[in-house]
Amino acid sequence: SQKIEQNSEALNIQEGKTATLTCNYTNYSPAYLQWYRQDPGRGPVFLLLIRENEKEKRKERLKVTFDTTLKQSLFHITASQPADSATYLCALSSSNSGYALNFGKGTSLLVTP
Amino acid sequence: GAGVSQSPSNKVTEKGKDVELRCDPISGHTALYWYRQSLGQGLEFLIYFQGNSAPDKSGLPSDRFSAERTGGSVSTLTIQRTQQEDSAVYLCASSPAGTSAYNEQFFGPGTRLTVL
Repeated sequence: SQKIEQNSEALNIQEGKTATLTCNYTNYSPAYLQWYRQDPGRGPVFLLLIRENEKEKRKERLKVTFDTTLKQSLFHITASQPADSATYLCALSSSNSGYALNFGKGTSLLVTP
Repeated sequence: GAGVSQSPSNKVTEKGKDVELRCDPISGHTALYWYRQSLGQGLEFLIYFQGNSAPDKSGLPSDRFSAERTGGSVSTLTIQRTQQEDSAVYLCASSPAGTSAYNEQFFGPGTRLTVL
């Protein structure tokens, strides 16, 4: 069956450090992978999309890598700030349809001053 | 501009009652999605509307769940004879066009449903 796995343990880091979150998947052949941020009581907010033929994508302090051989994406936040504290969700399109997104359960990030 | 709005923000109901959840997508967005997020779980896809095409209902967990989209805009998710396991946050999202694989999805704040 298709699975998207994100580290269920919360990631605690100190302000200014780089946070790295992992998304592993099985039984998918995704053409695209997306990362979202979710704050408590709110809906997810889109951050980045990376295509299968792209190894890396950057946006300001964010960087995403996509390794289709390892079936893994890494999400990095450099120079982290307390305001970056949130849950980060990885999402893939279903192999059976091109539109429904399947989400991982998310990893909670806490950045302390 | 206005984002995706959902109402009510919270809904408490008794087991066996029917509930209706509303979603107003971003104006001009042709694609609309419903997801469910249970405590400690990831977002679960429920249903997808694209323009005037027949909706993809493949994610609906049972025939107690249904949804419609009127005039290609507002959508209503209906849950009949609610059960306690239906308790969750129901999220609506919209995107400009086409497949979600290519477009970011814009989410509403969700409706928290509690079935007693």
